[in-house]
Amino acid sequence: RKEVEQDPGPFNVPEGATVAFNCTYSNSASQSFFWYRQDCRKEPKLLMSVYSSGNEDGRFTAQLNRASQYISLLIRDSKLSDSATYLCVVNGQAGTALIFGKGTTLSVSS
Amino acid sequence: GAGVSQTPSNKVTEKGKYVELRCDPISGHTALYWYRQSLGQGPEFLIYFQGTGAADDSGLPNDRFFAVRPEGSVSTLKIQRTERGDSAVYLCASSLRVGAKNIQYFGAGTRLSVL
Repeated sequence: RKEVEQDPGPFNVPEGATVAFNCTYSNSASQSFFWYRQDCRKEPKLLMSVYSSGNEDGRFTAQLNRASQYISLLIRDSKLSDSATYLCVVNGQAGTALIFGKGTTLSVSS
Repeated sequence: GAGVSQTPSNKVTEKGKYVELRCDPISGHTALYWYRQSLGQGPEFLIYFQGTGAADDSGLPNDRFFAVRPEGSVSTLKIQRTERGDSAVYLCASSLRVGAKNIQYFGAGTRLSVL
């Protein structure tokens, strides 16, 4: 079983749609959780950290369920510029190396 | 520059050759990480440094891979006797210090192609 598993995608949605990505992780000792965004042939960039209480940043909402070892990302009112690959990321057991999922590709069309 | 800088941006080499990939972290960041990303996959951890020392090299695939950070800033990833399977994007990241709460910032990567 992979350490971080994500929805396979791709997700193709129209502008204005709401889309949700899910992710599960296998290591219960994981300490920190993130969503990174990666544009085609670019480096990953931090989208947001994920906290147990849930957190929101504009149109983006992240949730963490430690008991289920489940992370989610909700994007409301999708924009064309949201088209990218979204990587679910957890800290490794030592709290150092990041463990990435394979990523889920989102394509927003007009 | 303000971000993580990696050179070269692209490297084409022949099977069996030796390559060096360079990473210049964000100024003041003590932790430096190397990852490798193959097509269609997320980045995979290779090694990280805290200062000059390699604190965890458990992700290095074999002894053909080696990395150094002699002065605690710039790091070089070295690959000996390259194989076609080494073709990937090699990403470097840095963070202010090691720890769960520290955000890692990535460079643009070096795209290595082994022919």
